[in-house]
Amino acid sequence: GAGVSQSPSNKVTEKGKDVELRCDPISGHTALYWYRQRLGQGLEFLIYFQGNSAPDKSGLPSDRFSAERTGESVSTLTIQRTQQEDSAVYLCASSLAPTDGGYGYTFGSGTRLTVV
Amino acid sequence: KQEVTQIPAALSVPEGENLVLNCSFTDSAIYNLQWFRQDPGKGLTSLLLIQSSQREQTSGRLNASLDKSSGRSTLYIAASQPGDSATYLCAVDNAGNMLTFGGGTRLMVKP
Repeated sequence: GAGVSQSPSNKVTEKGKDVELRCDPISGHTALYWYRQRLGQGLEFLIYFQGNSAPDKSGLPSDRFSAERTGESVSTLTIQRTQQEDSAVYLCASSLAPTDGGYGYTFGSGTRLTVV
Repeated sequence: KQEVTQIPAALSVPEGENLVLNCSFTDSAIYNLQWFRQDPGKGLTSLLLIQSSQREQTSGRLNASLDKSSGRSTLYIAASQPGDSATYLCAVDNAGNMLTFGGGTRLMVKP
């Protein structure tokens, strides 16, 4: 597609429920990233996928968070047993192979998650 | 560990002024630096990408410079307009697998 697509755009869930967020990267972009932005705060790196390599999960805040990506297509971020502190905007970005640093990142519009 | 700082945190100017937003980073071994714009409740829009071998990039009224050795970048906005009001984020790519973001500059351009 023309841009990075994320769904849903907004999600309200009850504390303790599981949620799944989806990201469709730009076609041909091998790298995909998830970031989190809490209200009034900066962006926090969560996880990075590059092709079929093992993902870099170093930013995931707890074992309640997991993400999958099949090949170079759609990615899903799953949060189990949601807590109120999980409320944030979850942003997905994709880029071409980042090995030579010449490519920038394209971000989606994000999913605003509210845990009540 | 890379750290990115943006100054000022907030800026309010009258329409028509030229302005400069500053970004500094601690590790100069970068792949590239990217400036983004974020409107309230929205995602990030890429404005300019400067590769490590470049010194500046221009797009319309925007000009971004990069001084890698001193760990600095500036975003220059000419003839500011109320539509430029947004948060401007500087982000550095060190290893090609993660962007480190500054805290942003919240810009308000008053008519």
